[in-house]
Amino acid sequence: DADVTQTPRNRITKTGKRIMLECSQTKGHDRMYWYRQDPGLGLRLIYYSFDVKDINKGEISDGYSVSRQAQAKFSLSLESAIPNQTALYFCATSDFGAGTQYFGPGTRLLVL
Amino acid sequence: KQEVTQIPAALSVPEGENLVLNCSFTDSAIYNLQWFRQDPGKGLTSLLLIQSSQREQTSGRLNASLDKSSGRSTLYIAASQPGDSATYLCAVRDQGAQKLVFGQGTRLTINP
Repeated sequence: DADVTQTPRNRITKTGKRIMLECSQTKGHDRMYWYRQDPGLGLRLIYYSFDVKDINKGEISDGYSVSRQAQAKFSLSLESAIPNQTALYFCATSDFGAGTQYFGPGTRLLVL
Repeated sequence: KQEVTQIPAALSVPEGENLVLNCSFTDSAIYNLQWFRQDPGKGLTSLLLIQSSQREQTSGRLNASLDKSSGRSTLYIAASQPGDSATYLCAVRDQGAQKLVFGQGTRLTINP
């Protein structure tokens, strides 16, 4: 089984809809991250969390919110989706010591 | 603000060649640097992580070097194989920061 899983893997939605992307991990890591990847722009950090009670904004948090339901679960919400949120979204985890980040398979989101 | 650049954006070489991928960063005060591999439609796989105090790391046919003073890292792939075809990303974590700053990647194609 994969250490970091994301659901759904693909999603098509319409402008104005609220959607949630979910991430679960079995690595036992405290730190979790949400990134988006756009062609020509690379990966950019949306939000990150160091434990259940810790949520921090990344460089592009506007239009997004997150919830850390448990150590193993970190969800990303788009309250009112817009077309420029069409992208590939990745969840990642890391422990404190090594610093290596482990990525999920990604969610491909299309906002019409 | 840290910026990470990877040149070239794409590279195509015959099978069996040794090759070098380049990564440069603008601020030398880094905590670590990580190389990832991304296959089409899939997530990122961590290849090598170099701490700021290290000069290189090796894993199988891969060798990554770090020269903080010049703001450069290289990923050396020996005896390339078609299965090495993928996009290679480098990412830097700054001292005192929690996020990774990614380059835009080098798309590598190994021709049989």
